[in-house]
Amino acid sequence: EAGVTQFPSHSVIEKGQTVTLRCDPISGHDNLYWYRRVMGKEIKFLLHFVKESKQDESGMPNNRFLAERTGGTYSTLKVQPAELEDSGVYFCASSHAGRGYTEAFFGQGTRLTVV
Amino acid sequence: EDQVTQSPEALRLQEGESSSLNCSYTVSGLRGLFWYRQDPGKGPEFLFTLYSAGEEKEKERLKATLTKKESFLHITAPKPEDSATYLCAVQGSNSGYALNFGKGTSLLVTP
Repeated sequence: EAGVTQFPSHSVIEKGQTVTLRCDPISGHDNLYWYRRVMGKEIKFLLHFVKESKQDESGMPNNRFLAERTGGTYSTLKVQPAELEDSGVYFCASSHAGRGYTEAFFGQGTRLTVV
Repeated sequence: EDQVTQSPEALRLQEGESSSLNCSYTVSGLRGLFWYRQDPGKGPEFLFTLYSAGEEKEKERLKATLTKKESFLHITAPKPEDSATYLCAVQGSNSGYALNFGKGTSLLVTP
């Protein structure tokens, strides 16, 4: 079974530019999550999709961040315009429907550097 | 607000030297406490979920335990391949499905 896949693995962009991160969850997983770890801090929750619907956006830092999940399959996280403080590692995770309390499987992460 | 504190921040062990990692937490209505392992450049890898005080789970050289205030990850006779960062996270009744992570314990096991 393929795991959670994220693209790209690294991205370096200039302040003010736009970046789009992509996540392909494990096939059949209805729950999809985005998390972020900035340097020196713990991993922080950003948002949660159930299929194509946003279930919880409470962790999204501001309106420069836009997440979508087309057709309940893959998800994208767009940052526009990027700021220096957006640098960090962005993780995507997925889990089975009805089992949101357990076994969320994480991707390898996208390291975003804003210069 | 849910809080997770892990200690120590870093731990160096000799191969075969058993020890424990601590995860202290405060949460409104614990739904689950999770342990993950993270290797450099990779995402967190799921290890255990604990749901209620007194519960224990084991996997190879690892054993996780849970009380009402903290969880321990016991590592018995560790090997160099156990070197990694170990993350603790809680899921509370007020936080939906979101995991609230601690900063992790960086474990180095030397031959």
